Order: sequence, then structure tokens, then C-alpha cells
Amino acid sequence: GIQVEQSPPDLILQEGANSTLRCNFSDSVNNLQWFHQNPWGQLINLFYIPSGTKQNGRLSATTVATERYSLLYISSSQTTDSGVYFCAVERGYGGATNKLIFGTGTLLAVQP
Amino acid sequence: DAGVIQSPRHEVTEMGQEVTLRCKPISGHDYLFWYRQTMMRGLELLIYFNNNVPIDDSGMPEDRFSAKMPNASFSTLKIQPSEPRDSAVYFCASSLRGTNTEAFFGQGTRLTVV
Repeated sequence: GIQVEQSPPDLILQEGANSTLRCNFSDSVNNLQWFHQNPWGQLINLFYIPSGTKQNGRLSATTVATERYSLLYISSSQTTDSGVYFCAVERGYGGATNKLIFGTGTLLAVQP
Repeated sequence: DAGVIQSPRHEVTEMGQEVTLRCKPISGHDYLFWYRQTMMRGLELLIYFNNNVPIDDSGMPEDRFSAKMPNASFSTLKIQPSEPRDSAVYFCASSLRGTNTEAFFGQGTRLTVV
């Protein structure tokens, strides 16, 4: 099956710093989503981005489907950005599987 | 819309007991997914439904697990009998059309089997 690798596995930032999280996937995808799991365990949708670039406030994401990776940028980080960031993909061939395969996540801690 | 609603939020049960987790998808969504999150295995898909019909249950770990979707607004995941290794957070998610659209997750049910 499709493999989803995220890096780095964990990251500590000082408030105000910028960061880039990476998601590599092993095959073509129909769907790619970024989620933030906050310290209370909620999975919050950040981006639906199978290709291209999107921005939402301090966050932006870019997916280069032909090279099988996606990047999540966090600028001017805040303590509320702490948590785990997941990339999830749905494979892009063999019919619609409707299965989101999750990466192992990046654990982010933003210190005041 | 209130989003995907799961109940209960927390469940503590004794080994051997039956556990039923509940999910109400976002109105109008035609796909419903059950995921399980553990430290060892991360987030994994258990089963998903399209228009109330189970499409793929290959992720269901054992026969002790079963899921139903009697109508478009309700689904259950049942574990009978429960075991300590079933302790995890169980998430329900829904989406429209299932592909090329984003999935939205409920707040999860934290299950502890003692």
C-alpha cells in the first residue's frame, strides 16, 4: 500500500519562529489533507490540498504531486500551534478507495 | 452544521463487556469512516460506509468488532467482548462523495478497557 512519511518526527520552537513540516508519499494521490491534533485530541482540518498551494492566515501548504511531497509552513508560531500535525492521503489509482492513510505525524511544541 | 458528533466522549469498561460507540455524520455526507488511534499503530481505518452500505471492512481487527449504519444519520461501532488491547481513541469521520473532497472528524471516543 501507499506509504506516508512525515518529518521531522518532533520539533520544538520558540514562539514567533517559523517552521516547515514535510510529508512524502510513495504513490500518486487523489486526496491529501493536513490535520492538526490539538492537546485535547481533536483532529482539526487545516488544508485539503492534493496539488498546488493554499494559505490560511499564518499557515500555508504546498503539494507537488509529481514529486510526491507536501509541505506545511507555519509562520510566527504561537503556543496554540502546539500538537501533532498529520498528513493523510488517498491513493490516486485503482478506483476510488476512499481510504485516508495517515502519516505518523510531527509533534510540535511551541514554547513561550 | 454541528459537525460529526460522537458519543460517548469517554468510556471505561471492564474486560469482557460489550461496548457501543456512536456517530452522527454531517448532514448530507454520504461516506462515513471509523478510525482507531493508538500509540503503537497511529491512526488506522477500520471500516467505511457509502450510502449506509459497508464498502471495506478490511481494517476491522477481529470478529469482536462490528459496525452498522442503519440510516444516513447514525452509525455504531460495537466491540463484544472487549479486551484491554482495544483501549484507544476511536474517531468517526464523514465526507461528501468520498473522493476529491475533505473528510471531517468527530471529537473521538476515548475507550479504556480494564
